[in-house]
Amino acid sequence: AQSVTQLGSHVSVSEGALVLLRCNYSSSVPPYLFWYVQYPNQGLQLLLKYTSAATLVKGINGFEAEFKKSETSFHLTKPSAHMSDAAEYFCAVSEYSSASKIIFGSGTRLSIRP
Amino acid sequence: DTEVTQTPKHLVMGMTNKKSLKCEQHMGHRAMYWYKQKAKKPPELMFVYSYEKLSINESVPSRFSPECPNSSLLNLHLHALQPEDSALYLCASSAVPSRFAGELFFGEGSRLTVL
Repeated sequence: AQSVTQLGSHVSVSEGALVLLRCNYSSSVPPYLFWYVQYPNQGLQLLLKYTSAATLVKGINGFEAEFKKSETSFHLTKPSAHMSDAAEYFCAVSEYSSASKIIFGSGTRLSIRP
Repeated sequence: DTEVTQTPKHLVMGMTNKKSLKCEQHMGHRAMYWYKQKAKKPPELMFVYSYEKLSINESVPSRFSPECPNSSLLNLHLHALQPEDSALYLCASSAVPSRFAGELFFGEGSRLTVL
């Protein structure tokens, strides 16, 4: 079965600093990978997705992620953090063997220091 | 319209009550999902409906009963719940059910408290 592992349950950065949230995947076939964001007391919103078209994927709110097959990674980055980026971030993989099934990682809470 | 609307936003119920959570989307999506999310945890898949038919049931206890009356509506009927069922219940939809479900559109959730 496919899975994703998010390294670091909590990341804290200063406003204006680089944001790096780590995600590694496990899959025997090319996966579809996603990053979702969840603001407090809200549902999840898609930030970006990798579907094998391009290894560098740009998303909303200035975020991007790079698919690295050799490292089985799909890390999320943003050059300059903003206070409004404080939220929970989930990496997810689409399971190959079942229809319509998304597997979420454990999540990383991003805090932004003024 | 790119919204998934869930009602109610908050629900408090006793263990003997019967209540329902409702979800509605008007994006023409043909797959709809129920997820359960406990505090500081990722969403856990409960049910998937594809073309109004139940396609995935993740071994959810029978006290949770899903229903998909039509392609725009999804209900979750609740009966004889336990306090540990208290959680945020999220509804989501996607354009087509497929091996790569991909982009899910989530509602804001219904926060359930079982006393």
